[in-house]
Amino acid sequence: GAVVSQHPSRVICKSGTSVKIECRSLDFQATTMFWYRQFPKQSLMLMATSNEGSKATYEQGVEKDKFLINHASLTLSTLTVTSAHPEDSSFYICSAIAGGRFEQFFGPGTRLTVL
Amino acid sequence: KQEVTQIPAALSVPEGENLVLNCSFTDSAIYNLQWFRQDPGKGLTSLLLIQSSQREQTSGRLNASLDKSSGRSTLYIAASQPGDSATYLCAVGQRGGGADGLTFGKGTHLIIQP
Repeated sequence: GAVVSQHPSRVICKSGTSVKIECRSLDFQATTMFWYRQFPKQSLMLMATSNEGSKATYEQGVEKDKFLINHASLTLSTLTVTSAHPEDSSFYICSAIAGGRFEQFFGPGTRLTVL
Repeated sequence: KQEVTQIPAALSVPEGENLVLNCSFTDSAIYNLQWFRQDPGKGLTSLLLIQSSQREQTSGRLNASLDKSSGRSTLYIAASQPGDSATYLCAVGQRGGGADGLTFGKGTHLIIQP
């Protein structure tokens, strides 16, 4: 149990395009989902916290108009990188928490490369 | 702001050795602490979760301890194997109910030589 999937696993796009990444909890309902970013040889950094049916809370320094998060259902959150640039190239990982629990379950990550 | 530090940054040892990986955090008001494993280019595998009220957790050859007052945790790996080679990440959760994201250390890159 407690499986989280991400799609796509890898995406390459041209500068200026938008990319959508999906995060799904497959066997539980996720009241809260988190989005992290990991640059090469760096640790994971929290970007935003997403609660189902409400607006995401962004960490300091993360542009909410650039990284659009939608958590429309208890099993799906999406991260859209708008007008992507090469500096947005990174490994994006989501995690999810079931209601009343405290352990985060992580997805396998999405490798974004912006040319 | 919480900061998590992991020492050493990298470690290479022959198989069979027992290992200790260290993690320290600056704000002791944590809710839980997790150890993860990350293979190159892959996501995270949760190894052990310790709640703030606990002192240690064990799973197979892994044992993690937590000393919240001193802001330290250790991950002990017994009888290391080449398959243990990976980056090990320590992360702390700050608020009850898991409503906050985790703060991660930079990890210890571990290589077990056959």
